[in-house]
Amino acid sequence: QQQVKQSPQSLIVQKGGISIINCAYENTAFDYFPWYQQFPGKGPALLIAIRPDVSEKKEGRFTISFNKSAKQFSLHIMDSQPGDSATYFCAARVKSSGSARQLTFGSGTQLTVLP
Amino acid sequence: DGGITQSPKYLFRKEGQNVTLSCEQNLNHDAMYWYRQDPGQGLRLIYYSQIVNDFQKGDIAEGYSVSREKKESFPLTVTSAQKNPTAFYLCASSTGRYSYNEQFFGPGTRLTVL
Repeated sequence: QQQVKQSPQSLIVQKGGISIINCAYENTAFDYFPWYQQFPGKGPALLIAIRPDVSEKKEGRFTISFNKSAKQFSLHIMDSQPGDSATYFCAARVKSSGSARQLTFGSGTQLTVLP
Repeated sequence: DGGITQSPKYLFRKEGQNVTLSCEQNLNHDAMYWYRQDPGQGLRLIYYSQIVNDFQKGDIAEGYSVSREKKESFPLTVTSAQKNPTAFYLCASSTGRYSYNEQFFGPGTRLTVL
């Protein structure tokens, strides 16, 4: 059972446009929601993350919007650039007292920004 | 220069053979993880380890085995019991000291079964 649903599967945006990727979850025990960026043949890298006690977090051109009541969160990329072309994964983590914090990933969105 | 290294980058295996994927980190992280990535399916957790000599099964552990004899190392063995082993394998680590610890990923190993 997929616990984090991500959409769309692929996205094509013109340079300078806004890219929006959405994720939804069911498990209310999730307490941390990161977004990862992955380039072909590379490992994912943390892009931005949010905790459920805030509704929005912005870092440069990247913004996470979080709706706790709807159990949804989204990534907005402003002024999208060709260099942003990559696969983006949302993820969620269950609150745990252990040192290992398992992430549950969405299925990924392949973003292409046209020049 | 701290980070996570995985080797080899590409690995080819004949059916029926066991193979071991290497993962080393010099970040002094307590926790380490193995994920499998297939097209269109995101990343799925195979095994994770919180401390040396301890590891737990993830969502898709069948056909895989791990060891954690050193803090820096968390090798993954793909056994012949794994029915569909061709995939991109990613190792990650995180510090266990803080509540919202980031997972750092290695560059991955692409395994192909011939």
